[in-house]
Amino acid sequence: DAGVIQSPRHEVTEMGQEVTLRCKPISGHNSLFWYRQTMMRGLELLIYFNNNVPIDDSGMPEDRFSAKMPNASFSTLKIQPSEPRDSAVYFCASRSGEGDYEQYFGPGTRLTVT
Amino acid sequence: SQKIEQNSEALNIQEGKTATLTCNYTNYSPAYLQWYRQDPGRGPVFLLLIRENEKEKRKERLKVTFDTTLKQSLFHITASQPADSATYLCAPSNFGNEKLTFGTGTRLTIIP
Repeated sequence: DAGVIQSPRHEVTEMGQEVTLRCKPISGHNSLFWYRQTMMRGLELLIYFNNNVPIDDSGMPEDRFSAKMPNASFSTLKIQPSEPRDSAVYFCASRSGEGDYEQYFGPGTRLTVT
Repeated sequence: SQKIEQNSEALNIQEGKTATLTCNYTNYSPAYLQWYRQDPGRGPVFLLLIRENEKEKRKERLKVTFDTTLKQSLFHITASQPADSATYLCAPSNFGNEKLTFGTGTRLTIIP
């Protein structure tokens, strides 16, 4: 298994531009999580899906952030418009389901907004 | 609000010694707690899960304890090696709630 796949690995964009981060979870996993990691705030959960349905988006910082999971094998996190304070590493993670609480993280996308 | 604290941001340990990392939580009663390892430029990797009714859990050179009275988990690496150098994160949670709230992390350096 290739593990959780994220793209792009690095993104540099100018303030005000739209940014789309992509994630492919491990096949068969039914939960997907988006995290953001910064030096100041550590690793924070933004939103998670269960069976493609958003369950908890209380960590999404503001309306500029949106996430979708159109099917079991793909999810996007979009920031529109982007701001310099959005600069961080964004991780996607997936989990298989009942009885297995381990989350498998992707390699992350390092976002820099100038 | 829930608060999860891990001891000192950085910990330096001599190779061969036991490294002990601390995870304290407040305003929280987790049913289990997970420990993850994160290397620079990579995502966290799961190491161990301990349930509230388990006082101790071991995996090779790793040992985790969970004291619900003290609201604390200790993570031990025995016979430490330079390859154990990484940031270690704790994440308490409850069954039926898939959310993980991570601690601040402890950056461990094993000195040869």
